[in-house]
Amino acid sequence: GEKVEQHESTLSVREGDSAVINCTYTDTASSYFPWYKQEAGKSLHFVIDIRSNVDRKQSQRLIVLLDKKAKRFSLHITATQPEDSAIYFCAASMTSGSWQLIFGSGTQLTVMP
Amino acid sequence: NSKVIQTPRYLVKGQGQKAKMRCIPEKGHPVVFWYQQNKNNEFKFLINFQNQEVLQQIDMTEKRFSAECPSNSPCSLEIQSSEAGDSALYLCASSLSGGNYEQYFGPGTRLTVL
Repeated sequence: GEKVEQHESTLSVREGDSAVINCTYTDTASSYFPWYKQEAGKSLHFVIDIRSNVDRKQSQRLIVLLDKKAKRFSLHITATQPEDSAIYFCAASMTSGSWQLIFGSGTQLTVMP
Repeated sequence: NSKVIQTPRYLVKGQGQKAKMRCIPEKGHPVVFWYQQNKNNEFKFLINFQNQEVLQQIDMTEKRFSAECPSNSPCSLEIQSSEAGDSALYLCASSLSGGNYEQYFGPGTRLTVL
């Protein structure tokens, strides 16, 4: 079955710098790639997604890139702020089948003032 | 912000006891998912529904877990005989459709099995 690997388990950046989190997936049938943010003791908060018909999507300070050939997608957070500190999870799913999300292992992002 | 409601937020059970949790999906979302997030941040898909029909469930769910999404009532997930390994955060998510649509998560029910 599909596997999603999240490459950075921890990431520390200075406030104002950019943060990049990378994920790879195994199943070429995956076509939907969301990102979630989880703060300590809280649930998953949807932040941004990308579908396989595009290779770039931006929402304010968040940019998602998708490289279908390499089966890789990444989340870029620009002009980071301390409130961006959280665990970020990437995920993948297919348009057919159960539609379940396959999650990466999470990246603990710390933005230092 | 997600409008998925999950109750209770915390649940403590002894081994062998039943554990039941409920979920009210966002209004207008016919697809409901249940996931388990363990303390190592590993997610496991348990079951999903479209309206009242089960779309898919994993083997574990078939054996000790039962779930339903009756019309005009909250969805529910019940563990028939809790085991220590069931201690986890149980997350309910809802979606407009499957595949390429966002899944919005509720706050979760944290189950502790003593």
